[in-house]
Amino acid sequence: AQSVTQLGSHVSVSEGALVLLRCNYSSSVPPYLFWYVQYPNQGLQLLLKYTSAATLVKGINGFEAEFKKSETSFHLTKPSAHMSDAAEYFCAVSAGGTSYGKLTFGQGTILTVHP
Amino acid sequence: EPEVTQTPSHQVTQMGQEVILRCVPISNHLYFYWYRQILGQKVEFLVSFYNNEISEKSEIFDDQFSVERPDGSNFTLKIRSTKLEDSAMYFCASSDRTGGGTQYFGPGTRLTVT
Repeated sequence: AQSVTQLGSHVSVSEGALVLLRCNYSSSVPPYLFWYVQYPNQGLQLLLKYTSAATLVKGINGFEAEFKKSETSFHLTKPSAHMSDAAEYFCAVSAGGTSYGKLTFGQGTILTVHP
Repeated sequence: EPEVTQTPSHQVTQMGQEVILRCVPISNHLYFYWYRQILGQKVEFLVSFYNNEISEKSEIFDDQFSVERPDGSNFTLKIRSTKLEDSAMYFCASSDRTGGGTQYFGPGTRLTVT
């Protein structure tokens, strides 16, 4: 079974500041990990994913995440926040093996960017 | 760029009525999913579908729910007798593979049960 915990339901940063959104996972098998973004009244858009290749994953819009097995973490970062980054961010995990790819989501983190 | 589409965008129904939510997955994808998000809560997995049968379902997906791929393009979720607690945003997703394949999500259908 898998689970995801996102620390902080709300994160607020100033424009130009570092963005750090935390995600910890639990999985009984090697996981695949994903970050999705949801803008108001829209669906989920993939930012980036980890699928057992490089542990530092780069995604769209300048975001990146690092898979740390020892810490069971997959935190999302962006060096410099932009106003357009304001959205809700979801971390998700799926199991490998015989799984058909079911995603288990964290509770989401709302990112607010102040001018 | 190919995308997943869903209709309707908003459905209002009375308790006890049947609803069918429709999705058109990306054309070359083989794996199909439904998720829901109750307002203010996390996105929850409902069901996955592959090779014309359910491959996995959650505890939420009880006998009131069913899925179907009636033709080569549509993928539907039916709720037989809606309850107030079925009010949520329902997302369809599709993928060309498992094993870390990206699931592409549709914009969702907001279901309101009154």
